[in-house]
Amino acid sequence: QQPVQSPQAVILREGEDAVINCSSSKALYSVHWYRQKHGEAPVFLMILLKGGEQKGHEKISASFNEKKQQSSLYLTASQLSYSGTYFCGTDNFGNEKLTFGTGTRLTIIP
Amino acid sequence: DTGVSQDPRHKITKRGQNVTFRCDPISEHNRLYWYRQTLGQGPEFLTYFQNEAQLEKSRLLSDRFSAERPKGSFSTLEIQRTEQGDSAMYLCASSTDNAVHEKLFFGSGTQLSVL
Repeated sequence: QQPVQSPQAVILREGEDAVINCSSSKALYSVHWYRQKHGEAPVFLMILLKGGEQKGHEKISASFNEKKQQSSLYLTASQLSYSGTYFCGTDNFGNEKLTFGTGTRLTIIP
Repeated sequence: DTGVSQDPRHKITKRGQNVTFRCDPISEHNRLYWYRQTLGQGPEFLTYFQNEAQLEKSRLLSDRFSAERPKGSFSTLEIQRTEQGDSAMYLCASSTDNAVHEKLFFGSGTQLSVL
């Protein structure tokens, strides 16, 4: 079952914050976040394991709520380089097979 | 680190023809994945190898699709009797197997167009 991402698209001015949500209908072992720029391969951002941990990567952080079967990606003080489509990939069985969401297109304007 | 390499970058074929794609993973990576991505969608899992063993194949995958990783290094994905619905970006990814959950390194993909 494909995870649901929201919003589908968002436009921000440079320096603004964004939150991208990922929800699964099944129990989650882990959530992966990737960013893909147009015409390029997806690039890894972070993995969150069940246990409700929160991770940070410069101005990009994420949380994982195991009970709610949700993860959220937080982008603070967005930069032009943050533009792209963000995908969450969920692992429901602990077997490394990821099911990706439909993506959230983020556009940062000066 | 040369990254994950895929060949060709683009392939145009006529319906009914067979096509084969190649993926060279990062050299020390034991795990290799094939995903398919259509416009506006996230990557869709096709199959997965641990060394030369194909451990999982998507139930949605037609019998026309086959993948190999004969020596646990490069992998090939073959599509027989291509259909227009096969048009997509085919992505290969690799990872280590140091832990259950490892980040995936994706290649730039092979864009298939079936006419």
